[in-house]
Order: sequence, then structure tokens, then C-alpha cells
Amino acid sequence: GDSVTQMEGPVTLSEEAFLTINCTYTATGYPSLFWYVQYPGEGLQLLLKATKADDKGSNKGFEATYRKETTSFHLEKGSVQVSDSAVYFCALSRNSGNTPLVFGKGTRLSVIA
Amino acid sequence: DADVTQTPRNRITKTGKRIMLECSQTKGHDRMYWYRQDPGLGLQLIYYSFDVKDINKGEISDGYSVSRQAQAKFSLSLESAIPNQTALYFCATSDSGTGGSGGYTFGSGTRLTVV
Repeated sequence: GDSVTQMEGPVTLSEEAFLTINCTYTATGYPSLFWYVQYPGEGLQLLLKATKADDKGSNKGFEATYRKETTSFHLEKGSVQVSDSAVYFCALSRNSGNTPLVFGKGTRLSVIA
Repeated sequence: DADVTQTPRNRITKTGKRIMLECSQTKGHDRMYWYRQDPGLGLQLIYYSFDVKDINKGEISDGYSVSRQAQAKFSLSLESAIPNQTALYFCATSDSGTGGSGGYTFGSGTRLTVV
């Protein structure tokens, strides 16, 4: 079945460091891919998405590119801030949308000043 | 007002009690979901509903039940709460009109403690 694998955390970075959180997936066909962010004490919010191969999703300085050839959707940010400290979830959806989203286990990021 | 509202935000209950968590949405979405999140773990799907007359079990439905009272309302019940149901519970919605590309809108969560 469909699955999403994220790098395990926690990830601790200094402010202004470069961030990569790896995400790979297994799915048939051409799923849509998502990154969600969960700030402390809050629900998940959609951070960015990509719906077809080679699409790049971007938001708030974060980027991820849908790589069909490597079945990956790695999250990157060039310079993290303390306010980026959160848990990040990678997820996929079949483009029919007739099955629930499949989530990765989440990666906790802590950014220290 | 939030697009997806969960009540209560926090609840402490005793073992064996019945408890209901409620979710309502103003997004006009037809699909609704209940997830559970344990500390340090990801999300686990409990139940989901693709329309008012549709209810489906998720990966951890034992000990839980749901009711879709209207398109905008989806409640989760614990018939007889036990301590290992202590967790953070999230409701989410999605729009079938977007296919699989629209993603979900989440509520802020209900923190449930069973003592």
C-alpha cells in the first residue's frame, strides 16, 4: 500500500542554518504530495504542496520539489529561524482523493538562537 | 471563528466514563476525519466519513465510535474510556471536489486525559 517515510528527528539547528527534512514515498500512479507543520499547542497547517512531477511547492521560505524519479519530496529552507521550531509532516494523497491522506511520522525541528 | 472547531479543547475524564468529542466546520467540505496523536508519534486515523451517510473505520477504530450528524458535524465517542486513550485528538476536513490535491484543514485539537 501507499506509504511515506520521513527522516527521524529530532533535528536541532542553529538560527540561520540550512534545513533539509527528507521524505520519500511509495505509491502507485501520481499522488499529490504535501508538507504540514504543527506548531506547539496547535493543529496541523498546510505548509506547501505539489500535485505533479517536477512541481515545486513553496511557502514562508520553505520549498519542496516533487521528484518522481527518486519518489521524494524533501523539505528545504535556506535559513531557519527560532519561529520555525515545530513538527513537520510529509503526506501523500492519491489524485482520486478517494482514500485518506497517508502521513509520515513527523520530524520535530528545534531551532536555537 | 475557526474553520474547523473542536470542543472541548481539554478534558479530563475517569476510566469507564463515556465521552464525546465534537467537531464542526464552516468550510462546506463534505469529508471529515478523526485522528489521534500520541506524544512523539505521528497521526493515526480513527474514523472517516466521505458524506453524511458514509462512515469508515480507520487503522485504530477499536474502542471508538462516530456519528455524522450533518455535513458540518462529526463527533467521536469513547464508549468506556481507558487510560491508554489519553492523547491529542484532531478533526480534519477535505473537499471531494479537489480530488486528492486539496489537502486537509485541521482543527486545533482536543487534549484528552483519562485517569
